[in-house]
Amino acid sequence: DIQMTQSPSTLSASVGDRVTITCRASQSISSWLAWYQQKPGKAPKLLIYKASSLESGVPSRFSGSGSGTEFTLTISSLQPDDFATYYCQQYNSYPEFGQGTKVEIK
Amino acid sequence: QLQLQESGPGLVKPSETLSLTCTVSGGSISSSSYYWGWIRQPPGKGLEWVGTIYYSGSTYYNPSLKSRVTISVDTSKNQFSLKLSSVTAADTAVYYCARSTVTTRYWYFDLWGRGTLVTVSS
Repeated sequence: DIQMTQSPSTLSASVGDRVTITCRASQSISSWLAWYQQKPGKAPKLLIYKASSLESGVPSRFSGSGSGTEFTLTISSLQPDDFATYYCQQYNSYPEFGQGTKVEIK
Repeated sequence: QLQLQESGPGLVKPSETLSLTCTVSGGSISSSSYYWGWIRQPPGKGLEWVGTIYYSGSTYYNPSLKSRVTISVDTSKNQFSLKLSSVTAADTAVYYCARSTVTTRYWYFDLWGRGTLVTVSS
């Protein structure tokens, strides 16, 4: 099994802040990583696939980077709609998700 | 556009079998471009992949659930289904069905249903 570890678990930020979430894999997953946003009571929404490819319709303030075992999701200027929980997921083998990072209002 | 909708009992007794169906609308489940999967989320917790199926019937299961999971597809009804046997309270979760576009050997999920809460309780 490949373990996915996100940090931090919770992040407090203000509108306009630059926010970075880290995801580490227990072994190399090349660039086979996706990022999702989930709001309370809603299904997850795909933001990024293949580590850095932006899903159609997702605002350009979201970006992903990394390869191998370390990855980041960056929100360049946090908007009110971005307060949510974010999950990474590897698909180098059977899918595994990180434990989530909650972005809350500071 | 393509949509997915989960359906099934919201309450299942311990030791019984959980059964859910995902109906695909606005497109064909028989498209060679997609795989179809189930993901679950216990209340207040993270996401767990349950399994994935291709329209041909090829199935892939989470090893931790493999002995209890069966996923099937009914192309005539544009549906795929999940059965999880011998359930316990630990199987209480929101169950999502989701689509994966065929791009790599394994899957990320680019379209999700709204999810359905299944509670295991006597």
